[in-house]
Amino acid sequence: KQEVTQIPAALSVPEGENLVLNCSFTDSAIYNLQWFRQDPGKGLTSLLLIQSSQREQTSGRLNASLDKSSGRSTLYIAASQPGDSATYLCAVRQSGGANSKLTFGKGITLSVRP
Amino acid sequence: DTGVSQDPRHKITKRGQNVTFRCDPISEHNRLYWYRQTLGQGPEFLTYFQNEAQLEKSRLLSDRFSAERPKGSFSTLEIQRTEQGDSAMYLCASSLGVLHHLKTSTDTQYFGPGTRLTVL
Repeated sequence: KQEVTQIPAALSVPEGENLVLNCSFTDSAIYNLQWFRQDPGKGLTSLLLIQSSQREQTSGRLNASLDKSSGRSTLYIAASQPGDSATYLCAVRQSGGANSKLTFGKGITLSVRP
Repeated sequence: DTGVSQDPRHKITKRGQNVTFRCDPISEHNRLYWYRQTLGQGPEFLTYFQNEAQLEKSRLLSDRFSAERPKGSFSTLEIQRTEQGDSAMYLCASSLGVLHHLKTSTDTQYFGPGTRLTVL
């Protein structure tokens, strides 16, 4: 059974700092990995999706990398801003076929201090 | 593209009552998913439709839960005889399957705002 772990559960940093959020998964035979942002009481916003054949994806100040063999992904946020404060979740999809459910970690709650 | 919508956004009910939630996916998305999220946890998969066919159900989906997607468009999730343990955020997501009308897709799941259920 796939398990996704995100440590630490919470992180507080000063504005402007570059930071790395970690995600690990137990079964490396994944189809893709997706990073989401969730604001309090809201739904999930997709940030980046990395296919199993890819090493990284970039969008603006965000960069996500994937090391499938070691079961790890990182989300890099450059020049953090207070507006980045939210919970960041990673999720893996096991299969490329009809079964496309996602298995999520518990998330990392990020607070960026002005 | 108006995004995934869910209705209602909040529902408060008494234990033992039945509730029904609705999800409208992004138009042309053939896949639709339901997840449940409790406080401090990541979303957990409940069930999944491809068009109108329900292809997978989690063991979390007890007999009190039923989901439908009658015409392959919107979906409903009904909980019968609600219990306090059913209190959670119910999230719906949709995606364009990897091969759809000969288009390729990353099958990214797009989530709605969720329905917050509180069972008293």
